Amino acid sequence: QSALTQPASVSGSPGQSITISCTGTSSDVGGYNYVSWYQQHPGKAPKLMIYDVSKRPSGVSNRFSGSKSGNTASLTISGLQAEDEADYYCSSYTSSSTWVFGGGTKLTVL
Amino acid sequence: EVQLVQSGAEVKKPGATVKISCKVSGYTFTDYYMHWVQQAPGKGLEWMGLVDPEDGETIYAEKFQGRVTITADTSTDTAYMELSSLRSEDTAVYYCATRKVVDYYFDYWGQGTLVTVSS
Repeated sequence: QSALTQPASVSGSPGQSITISCTGTSSDVGGYNYVSWYQQHPGKAPKLMIYDVSKRPSGVSNRFSGSKSGNTASLTISGLQAEDEADYYCSSYTSSSTWVFGGGTKLTVL
Repeated sequence: EVQLVQSGAEVKKPGATVKISCKVSGYTFTDYYMHWVQQAPGKGLEWMGLVDPEDGETIYAEKFQGRVTITADTSTDTAYMELSSLRSEDTAVYYCATRKVVDYYFDYWGQGTLVTVSS
């Protein structure tokens, strides 16, 4: 199972919006609405930000949103804040009953 | 409050075996599958496998098949991940993460355990 494809890095200024893409195949991202997104700060465990493509867990800011089109899922962060600077990973359930992560995207808030 | 507390850092020689534990509290152990995720230094997350604590059923990623064993002890609410035939590329932080039986995402994570493989 190959890793999902994410851009290595994205950046934006405070207040702006950014979008991180996550491209898979019809056997994972495209085949199920089971894409989730995780935020990871240096030295910390990942934190769930979005699940089932577009749902937000309790306590996660509504500045975070998710969507999917075909084999590509996206995470959008609006109104960028300094604390959003972190690594972001997508994950998807697969047709093999396994899970796969994206390679990760480093978000820099300028 | 849900908590996943992992065992401490390990240093192993190439060819050895490491066994990491993940003790849970704050929820019914058998209501969640337990997954394990590897993160090599400066690299991304890699899914290793899962165990259903209810019946011990496991699913492993192809990359780790044959070298990884994930188990769950319902008497102590603790999950374990054992990785054998260690090589330098296995140097990584290993996380346990839970997923409700009916869901497809990881909602709670352990703090991570660093395993260093070095001669």
